[in-house]
Amino acid sequence: GQNIDQPTEMTATEGAIVQINCTYQTSGFNGLFWYQQHAGEAPTFLSYNVLDGLEEKGRFSSFLSRSKGYSYLLLKELQMKDSASYLCAVLDSNYQLIWGAGTKLIIKP
Amino acid sequence: IAGITQAPTSQILAAGRRMTLRCTQDMRHNAMYWYRQDLGLGLRLIHYSNTAGTTGKGEVPDGYSVSRANTDDFPLTLASAVPSQTSVYFCASSDSRALTGELFFGEGSRLTVL
Repeated sequence: GQNIDQPTEMTATEGAIVQINCTYQTSGFNGLFWYQQHAGEAPTFLSYNVLDGLEEKGRFSSFLSRSKGYSYLLLKELQMKDSASYLCAVLDSNYQLIWGAGTKLIIKP
Repeated sequence: IAGITQAPTSQILAAGRRMTLRCTQDMRHNAMYWYRQDLGLGLRLIHYSNTAGTTGKGEVPDGYSVSRANTDDFPLTLASAVPSQTSVYFCASSDSRALTGELFFGEGSRLTVL
């Protein structure tokens, strides 16, 4: 079956750096997405990786290794507003998005 | 403001009742989707539509139906609601089914079936 694994919850300190990992086993691969979802709100797009390597976008970076079935989202200079759930999703060979359960990130002052 | 609008935002429903969740987008996106989100689980696809006039079944279609009469609207109907359909429902859209970019989500509809 298809599976996306990410930690259920992480805690970090304001101003610090945190890395949220995502591993996947899917039927084919057509890209990996990261979304942010604040409590009670809709998910919003953060990043898309289809090739190996690091994509940087401001304080957020996303890394992909297709051979390892692995990605991470790196958040730098953490702010309180970064407290949210971070969803990893993989586009499989049928162009269906397979979603992880999400990682709840708690930022402490 | 361009985007996706869902209605209602929240609804409590008696089991056995029929319910339609509405979804409208004004971005002229071809593809639209309905997901449900339950605690501890990832978003699960209920139904999708690649373009107006076509629909397809997702991962968890049972008990749900959709229609796509035009580009903008994609309603989701629960013919006879059951308590296991208590969930938060998200409508989403994208430029194409072959996702290479952003999926836009509505604000969600929180449904409680008693």
